[in-house]
Amino acid sequence: RKEVEQDPGPFNVPEGATVAFNCTYSNSASQSFFWYRQDCRKEPKLLMSVYSSGNEDGRFTAQLNRASQYISLLIRDSKLSDSATYLCVVNRGAGGFKTIFGAGTRLFVKA
Amino acid sequence: EAGVTQSPTHLIKTRGQQATLRCSPISGHTSVYWYQQALGLGLQFLLWYDEGEERNRGNFPPRFSGRQFPNYSSELNVNALELEDSALYLCASSPFREGNTEAFFGQGTRLTVV
Repeated sequence: RKEVEQDPGPFNVPEGATVAFNCTYSNSASQSFFWYRQDCRKEPKLLMSVYSSGNEDGRFTAQLNRASQYISLLIRDSKLSDSATYLCVVNRGAGGFKTIFGAGTRLFVKA
Repeated sequence: EAGVTQSPTHLIKTRGQQATLRCSPISGHTSVYWYQQALGLGLQFLLWYDEGEERNRGNFPPRFSGRQFPNYSSELNVNALELEDSALYLCASSPFREGNTEAFFGQGTRLTVV
């Protein structure tokens, strides 16, 4: 089982739709959590950090549930420009600090 | 402020040769991470360097190696190249060894093995 697992995707949604990405992690020693966005043939870029209290940035909302070891990203009113791969990222300390990326979920937003 | 820079952007090698990829982290960042992203696949963790030492490595054979220099820049070396080593190699840097900090990526080196 992979340490960080995401929905396999791809997601195909119309403009204006709400889309949710899910991510689970297996190591309870995980310390910090992020969502990255990767455009085709580009490097990943930080979208937002994920806090236990949940956080929102415009149309994007991230949630963390430590008890269930679950992270989510919600995109409301999706735009064509949201089309990308969304990567769930976990930093953990126990067993050697490591930044671990999920395989990513591809999103296609269509007009 | 300059971001993470990688060189070269593209590299073509033949099977059996060696490849050297370079990464300069953001100023002040001491940790450098290397990832392999094969076509259509996710990011696979290769190596983590901090303060000049290898701190962790992923599930890759020993022919993948590297080092970090006193100025925190890093090299990734891949020996005895195989066709399946063709991938985008991404370097990321972060300011801390542990804690709530994100990693910042370079634009990658696209290695093609023919």
